[in-house]
Amino acid sequence: SYVLTQPPSVSVAPGKTARITCGGNNIGSKSVHWYQQKPGQAPVLVIYYDSDRPSGIPERFSGSNSGNTATLTISRVEAGDEADYYCQVWDSSSDHPVVFGGGTKLTVL
Amino acid sequence: EVQLVESGGGLVQPGGSLRLSCAASGFTFSSYWMSWVRQAPGKGLEWVANIKQDGSEKYYVDSVKGRFTISRDNAKNSLYLQMNSLRAEDTAVYYCARGIYDPTGLAFDIWGQGTMVTVSS
Repeated sequence: SYVLTQPPSVSVAPGKTARITCGGNNIGSKSVHWYQQKPGQAPVLVIYYDSDRPSGIPERFSGSNSGNTATLTISRVEAGDEADYYCQVWDSSSDHPVVFGGGTKLTVL
Repeated sequence: EVQLVESGGGLVQPGGSLRLSCAASGFTFSSYWMSWVRQAPGKGLEWVANIKQDGSEKYYVDSVKGRFTISRDNAKNSLYLQMNSLRAEDTAVYYCARGIYDPTGLAFDIWGQGTMVTVSS
């Protein structure tokens, strides 16, 4: 089955840029979605289809996807961005097609 | 307001059964894929099951196949998860999620608040 690999943690200072990666075999051929989850809350979709932002998500959040790595980029990081972030794809070749990455804890220093 | 509200969680003994429900409102329920996603305490997200708009296609993670059944009632705007032969490792918060689909894949744009399932003797 398809595997998505994320770094367990990323740290960034306020005002700087955070980049969270999601690795997978030829992930560039798939659509990647990103979710933010704060403690005690349900996940929130922040990027879908690689780089689209749902309404209400700040422009500071952007996504890219190429080759074997997809990246969620958060510009001008704020304290409120501290959360767990998960990538997700649809593996059309599988009978269990939804795959989540293991998640990345973003810490704002 | 677009909303998903789960119910039916609780404490159950190993080997027992539980039925989760998810009430949808604020959108045309019958137009969307729906899913269950769970999260064990302190762990990451794990997709559990999907069901197509008309119920004609269902998919499950291997660990629940043969034990869990996803279903929906479009007339009642409701999604269900029947869980049988429950195990300790099924202990988790279970989220109901709405799927937005195109041929490249499925993303979950609306999530419920979750319902806790605890399997323990």
